[in-house]
Parts: sequence; structure tokens; C-alpha cells
Amino acid sequence: GQQVQQSPASLVLQEGENAELQCNFSSTATQLQWFYQSPGGSLVSLLSNPSGTKHTGRLTSTTVTKERRSSLHISSSQTTDSGTYLCARDTNAYKVIFGKGTHLHVLP
Amino acid sequence: GALVYQYPRRTICKSGTSMRMECQAVGFQATSVAWYRQSPQKTFELIALSTVNSAIKYEQNFTQEKFPISHPNLSFSSMTVLNAYLEDRGLYLCGAGQGGDTQYFGPGTRLLVL
Repeated sequence: GQQVQQSPASLVLQEGENAELQCNFSSTATQLQWFYQSPGGSLVSLLSNPSGTKHTGRLTSTTVTKERRSSLHISSSQTTDSGTYLCARDTNAYKVIFGKGTHLHVLP
Repeated sequence: GALVYQYPRRTICKSGTSMRMECQAVGFQATSVAWYRQSPQKTFELIALSTVNSAIKYEQNFTQEKFPISHPNLSFSSMTVLNAYLEDRGLYLCGAGQGGDTQYFGPGTRLLVL
């Protein structure tokens, strides 16, 4: 089936450390998005990166399409970065499949 | 830019009652609107997809009788959770797209059922 797998499932860091989140998908995606879900539950779009490398602030996403993987690098993590990071890919059918997320906890 | 708003952001309803939630696209034409649900401890699962000039397509385990959806124009959609029970609680997400390109997502409507 059309799967999106994320790793690690959870991650605990000290403030200031870097985080590396992985996303693997079962078939080529035309759109690959990273989202942040706050502990309160709201969803925020971080990056849309179907291929190559994109930066925004302390975030860097690298997607290697032919290898069906994407990564999200968070540099100099802050306690406010705590939450769930979701990877999602489109299915060419107007719908998106989400991974289960990586739960990040940044300690002060 | 393209934005998607959802109303309300949080809501509580009594078991057995119904609750309507709305999704508004701003800055683009929402030719497709998808509704998702994130149940506690789970990821988002698709409820149904509405595209212009096509019937609304519901995923397995979701029905029009339970989750009627309206998509009357290219900027608005609503979905009702009829006869809500505990298993219907969660975060309901609206994703809107234009022509099969990137889907833009709202922040979600969190439903709590008492």
C-alpha cells in the first residue's frame, strides 16, 4: 500500500542539540510536506519539498526522490520545538497520506 | 498566499448530538477538499474527498450518512459529524487543493464528545 514511515518514533534532546527526522515513503511522491503539530494539536505546515534541499530558519529538509526518503534537520533545538513532526506525501489523487510522526521533546 | 481556515478551532458536544465544522480557502480556488480525522494516539486518516464536478468519495469506514459534506463553491466546505459519540473525538483536518497540486491544510477542528 501507499505508506509513509517516520523515524524515530520519539526523540528527546537537550536544548541546543540538533535533531534529524526521517521519512520514507513507498512510492514516488509529487509533493512531500513536513508539518508540525503542537502539543495542543493544531497543525502547521513547515516545508513542502518534493525533491532537493530546502531551508527555512533552523529547518532544513532534504528529499531524495529516487530513494523515496526525506529528512528534516532542526538545528539548535529549543524547548518550543517540542511537539510532533509529521511527514505527508500526496497520492496523485488529490489526497495525502500522513506518517505517524516523530514526537520531539526538547529539555531545557 | 494560500491559506486555509477552519472553524471552530475547538468544540465540545454531547454524546448523540451533531456538530458542524467549516473550512475556508483563501488566496486560491479549492477545486478539491479532503477531510481527515486524527483520533487519539493515531495519525490522520482520510474521511472523504470532494472534487469539483465529481461525487464526494468516502473512504472505507466513513459514510455520507455519518459525515455529510458540502462543497458549494471553490472557497468553502463544511462537514457535519452526525450523532457524535466518544469514538468520534479527535482533530478534524481540512486539506484544500487546486488542480492536484499541493494541498494546503487548516489548523484543524478539535472535537471533544462528552
